[in-house]
Amino acid sequence: QVQLVESGGGVVQPGRSLRLSCTASGFTFSSYPMHWVRQAPGKGLEWVAVIANDGNDKYQADSVKGRFTISRDNSKNTVYLQMNSLRAEDTAVYYCARDRKVAAADYYFDYWGQGTLVTVSS
Amino acid sequence: EIVLTQSPATLSLSPGERATLSCRASQSVSSYLAWYQQKPGQAPRLLFYDASNRATGIPARFSGSGSGTDFTLTISSLEPEDFAVYYCQQRRSWPALTFGGGTKVEIK
Repeated sequence: QVQLVESGGGVVQPGRSLRLSCTASGFTFSSYPMHWVRQAPGKGLEWVAVIANDGNDKYQADSVKGRFTISRDNSKNTVYLQMNSLRAEDTAVYYCARDRKVAAADYYFDYWGQGTLVTVSS
Repeated sequence: EIVLTQSPATLSLSPGERATLSCRASQSVSSYLAWYQQKPGQAPRLLFYDASNRATGIPARFSGSGSGTDFTLTISSLEPEDFAVYYCQQRRSWPALTFGGGTKVEIK
């Protein structure tokens, strides 16, 4: 069965960095685009970033552009989110999610991890 | 940015009743809209994509409809496990994806 397991969350001071990881199993990881989606405490969902199945194309939301970088290692079945210059408003549960379609992303998310909480606070 | 407005914010219903949830887009998204269900402490679950295509394993009591700017998620007869928060999401303006603010379906 498809499993996505995030790690790397925690408490970090404003301006510092953190790297999240999401390890996948139960499917051919290298065939699927992967996304990060976040949810601030008690709030709705916000898409963060996407990476193509081969890692060649990447897009980020305007709110994180220039600060967050998505990457992947298909040999390790893992997608990463490097978060720099963190702000209080980045506090959220971060989910990795699989794109519904093989190869060409259709920007719908059919499997999600359980999420990892990032708290940005001094 | 395409803004999705969901209504009502909260829907108070009893098991067995019909639930009708609305999602309105600030501009046309064609049929590029999905619905997700989220229960407390859990990740969202995909219910529908492209407005009316049911995702794998979603019961037939759920239906999705609409196109352009107006979309509806209907639950024909609420089961106890259906009480949750529901979100719509558009991909028309990829990669600038947006979600609605959510509708909470609570037990009356």
